[in-house]
Amino acid sequence: EAGVTQFPSHSVIEKGQTVTLRCDPISGHDNLYWYRRVMGKEIKFLLHFVKESKQDESGMPNNRFLAERTGGTYSTLKVQPAELEDSGVYFCASNQGTENTEAFFGQGTRLTVV
Amino acid sequence: DAKTTQPPSMDCAEGRAANLPCNHSTISGNEYVYWYRQIHSQGPQYIIHGLKNNETNEMASLIITEDRKSSTLILPHATLRDTAVYYCIVRVANTGKLIFGQGTTLQVKP
Repeated sequence: EAGVTQFPSHSVIEKGQTVTLRCDPISGHDNLYWYRRVMGKEIKFLLHFVKESKQDESGMPNNRFLAERTGGTYSTLKVQPAELEDSGVYFCASNQGTENTEAFFGQGTRLTVV
Repeated sequence: DAKTTQPPSMDCAEGRAANLPCNHSTISGNEYVYWYRQIHSQGPQYIIHGLKNNETNEMASLIITEDRKSSTLILPHATLRDTAVYYCIVRVANTGKLIFGQGTTLQVKP
């Protein structure tokens, strides 16, 4: 069974540009989460999808970040326009059923804004 | 949201038990304690979780104090491959949201 996959693994963009990160959850997982770790900080929750609906987006830092999950399968996280402080590692995770189950994480996308 | 506090680093001899402590004094009664680890350049990997009772699986044991204000993750026979950052996490009640702490870097030495 394929795990959670994220694309790209690395991205280097200039300040002001747009970047779109993609996450393919484990097949059949209704819950999909985005997290990120910026330099020197702990991993922080961004948002939670249940199928195609946003269940909790309390961790989204500002309106430059847009997450979508059309059709309830893969998800994208767009940053537009990117700022220097957006640099970090963005993780996606998924699980099925109630929240009281383990979440499977992808390997992350390392974003560098220069 | 409840926070966790962990020592920044620990060493352990290969083959010995590694005991990783965590404080979560503000945890609510229905919030679970989760442990994940992250090996360099990989995503966090689930280890174990619990609410009140001690838990054991093939990877580790989780000991939660009676007042639930702290817990200890035990790796019974640490190997070099257990070298990683270990995160003690509180899962927010009735959600899947995980609150990560800073983690403990465990170095297993030969």
